[in-house]
Amino acid sequence: GQQVMQIPQYQHVQEGEDFTTYCNSSTTLSNIQWYKQRPGGHPVFLIQLVKSGEVKKQKRLTFQFGEAKKNSSLHITATQTTDVGTYFCGNTDKLIFGTGTRLQVFP
Amino acid sequence: KAGVTQTPRYLIKTRGQQVTLSCSPISGHRSVSWYQQTPGQGLQFLFEYFSETQRNKGNFPGRFSGRQFSNSRSEMNVSTLELGDSALYLCASSLGWVDYGYTFGSGTRLTVV
Repeated sequence: GQQVMQIPQYQHVQEGEDFTTYCNSSTTLSNIQWYKQRPGGHPVFLIQLVKSGEVKKQKRLTFQFGEAKKNSSLHITATQTTDVGTYFCGNTDKLIFGTGTRLQVFP
Repeated sequence: KAGVTQTPRYLIKTRGQQVTLSCSPISGHRSVSWYQQTPGQGLQFLFEYFSETQRNKGNFPGRFSGRQFSNSRSEMNVSTLELGDSALYLCASSLGWVDYGYTFGSGTRLTVV
């Protein structure tokens, strides 16, 4: 069935280093949404991508949707301790979410 | 405006019992979706309701059911609880169209003993 895989599952970085998480689908997606869940919290909507090859930025975060609309990436430049959390990608058409990437940032 | 409200926040139940969880969406949001979150499993989709009708359903056994009321509030019921049902249950509301993001509630932490 429909699956969305995220890699890596965990990532530990030193503060100031960059971080990237990848989201891969077995089928074409109409959209990709990204969420952040802080430890002990609930997922919070970050952004939505709908166009093939679309790139969106939010301060230090860069989101990209693949040309084939089967994959997406989230890149954080110069991580900060406030970036700690689990990042999920999801698709509201299929109502599925990726397995998430847990980011730990060491000061 | 008020966010998505889930009650109760925490719940401890015994195997074999049943439980009902409640979700009040953001005012004006007509879609409510339910997810089960367990460590290492991410967010597993349970079902989605839109205007009182179940619009989508995930791959969970029939012990998991839900409903939505005319005011868009939704309830989720789990019957004959099993130890493996212990999880954080999250509900998310949206306007109901695929181009809008979800707003999640804080969740109900269910522990089955």
